[in-house]
Amino acid sequence: GAGVSQSPSNKVTEKGKDVELRCDPISGHTALYWYRQSLGQGLEFLIYFQGNSAPDKSGLPSDRFSAERTGGSVSTLTIQRTQQEDSAVYLCASSLDSGLAWFFGSGTQLSVL
Amino acid sequence: KNEVEQSPQNLTAQEGEFITINCSYSVGISALHWLQQHPGGGIVSLFMLSSGKKKHGRLIATINIQEKHSSLHITASHPRDSAVYICAAAVNNDMRFGAGTRLTVKP
Repeated sequence: GAGVSQSPSNKVTEKGKDVELRCDPISGHTALYWYRQSLGQGLEFLIYFQGNSAPDKSGLPSDRFSAERTGGSVSTLTIQRTQQEDSAVYLCASSLDSGLAWFFGSGTQLSVL
Repeated sequence: KNEVEQSPQNLTAQEGEFITINCSYSVGISALHWLQQHPGGGIVSLFMLSSGKKKHGRLIATINIQEKHSSLHITASHPRDSAVYICAAAVNNDMRFGAGTRLTVKP
């Protein structure tokens, strides 16, 4: 596609439910990044994919968070048993390769009630 | 102490003024990024630097690797430049973000 696409743009869920966030990177971009931004807070790095591999998962906040990427393209970020502190804007970015400029999606606003 | 420090936190300028935002980091980096986040929340990558200086329109970014310092300059500032500017240090495959500088340019 022309840009990085994220879906849904907004998600409201109840505490304890699982949610799945999707990121479609720019076609041909091998590097994909997930970040989150909590209200009034700065950006927080979550995970990075090079192709389908995530060399470092230590940025994920807890074992309730997981991410995968298939076919070197679409990525999903799954949050199990959501908690109120998971409420944030989840941002995805892609780049042609690691070390190159990032292109950001418009984010998914997650609200856990 | 944060690994990436930005200053100032907030900056108000009159249209036409020359703006400088500073970023200091304490980690070894593979690259440094400057990002712009508009009030609606969208983020745009402005620059990626590993050395020297880059210029795009009225925006200039510089980095001094030895001093672990980068600056973002805006010449002839305009109200549409009002946004949060974020410095991000790429440390291998990890990213460390500054807290951002909120710039308001008044007409």
